[in-house]
Amino acid sequence: NAGVTQTPKFQVLKTGQSMTLQCAQDMNHEYMSWYRQDPGMGLRLIHYSVGAGITDQGEVPNGYNVSRSTTEDFPLRLLSAAPSQTSVYFCASRGGLAGPRRELFFGEGSRLTVL
Amino acid sequence: GESVGLHLPTLSVQEGDNSIINCAYSNSASDYFIWYKQESGKGPQFIIDIRSNMDKRQGQRVTVLLNKTVKHLSLQIAATQPGDSAVYFCAENSGGSNYKLTFGKGTLLTVNP
Repeated sequence: NAGVTQTPKFQVLKTGQSMTLQCAQDMNHEYMSWYRQDPGMGLRLIHYSVGAGITDQGEVPNGYNVSRSTTEDFPLRLLSAAPSQTSVYFCASRGGLAGPRRELFFGEGSRLTVL
Repeated sequence: GESVGLHLPTLSVQEGDNSIINCAYSNSASDYFIWYKQESGKGPQFIIDIRSNMDKRQGQRVTVLLNKTVKHLSLQIAATQPGDSAVYFCAENSGGSNYKLTFGKGTLLTVNP
């Protein structure tokens, strides 16, 4: 059972370049989300989705785009990378939106450096 | 507890001691709380959860206490082991159509052998 898979694990970009961080889950989870983690800042929500075709902004959405064409995949796109986007990015998913459990299942993270 | 600025609160304990990690949450409407453990270079992992209709919940070597009056959450780890060394985060959710988890800034636990 793979859970939440993120690729790539490491990436170095130059300012102005674009790229996509991939996220896939095999648990048939309805909810998927992207967080960024910076030192001393905890985990901050970038974008989230409650199902295929539905996305919404989180706390820090500027500079990022998402789409949800399938239940399994939730890619995060950086349109024009900036040094302020240097961070560790985590994808997380959750199933059973109507159920009692609300924990997120996290991927292993993607470490991005923008020069 | 919660950090201010760029420095993560730290807790250093001896192996075998009990550890208590604190968290102040922000939303009085939150009714579900989770503790996560994050080891270096890995994603956060679920430890234990608690609902607002409970004051205490126990797991294996861990206990979570919830004080809704002062919006405070704590995680107690019994007989702390070197493998418990990690950053611990609390997270909150207010339920309904809000599926988002809001995370605290974390506490670094270091266990000395």
